[in-house]
Amino acid sequence: TQLLEQSPQFLSIQEGENLTVYCNSSSVFSSLQWYRQEPGEGPVLLVTVVTGGEVKKLKRLTFQFGDARKDSSLHITAAQTGDTGLYLCAGVGNQFYFGTGTSLTVIP
Amino acid sequence: SQTIHQWPATLVQPVGSPLSLECTVEGTSNPNLYWYRQAAGRGLQLLFYSVGIGQISSEVPQNLSASRPQDRQFILSSKKLLLSDSGFYLCAWGPGDGNTIYFGEGSWLTVV
Repeated sequence: TQLLEQSPQFLSIQEGENLTVYCNSSSVFSSLQWYRQEPGEGPVLLVTVVTGGEVKKLKRLTFQFGDARKDSSLHITAAQTGDTGLYLCAGVGNQFYFGTGTSLTVIP
Repeated sequence: SQTIHQWPATLVQPVGSPLSLECTVEGTSNPNLYWYRQAAGRGLQLLFYSVGIGQISSEVPQNLSASRPQDRQFILSSKKLLLSDSGFYLCAWGPGDGNTIYFGEGSWLTVV
């Protein structure tokens, strides 16, 4: 059973544009993580959000955890080519549940 | 600081041959350990997890097995590989609070 759905699955944008990736579920999670993965490498942790409604900023990346702790969003401002990669969300319940992934390509 | 390493990075094995992927964690004790498989660069499928030495939970029935002979060592094995075992295998560790996990570099397995 896939508990976490990410949208969009694929995203191709021009450098300098803004974008938002969504991670949705009908389940409640105690925390949620976002990872970025480059081809042939392991996912790298970007952020962990724990509290409903929490907003965390990491330079040009803004992460928000839904009030009900069922969903999350990742917003990137002024995308750069270095942001290209696969973005994965993961919710923590009785185990880690990973989203379907969003493949982002930033075109120079 | 904590580090995680897995090897080999790339492996090409014939159908029916055995498999052993190894993962070690440094800089922490009694970590939770995980093996995931990722197909086609998309979502991750949990294969095994362990909360302590000799304690292995399997999430997906298949011809793979896992062992944890030492606190910070996690091994993924198979006696006879199938073509469908090809994929990108990721080892991960997490602290006991279960809120975050950290991944190794990954191992590409191609069964031919």
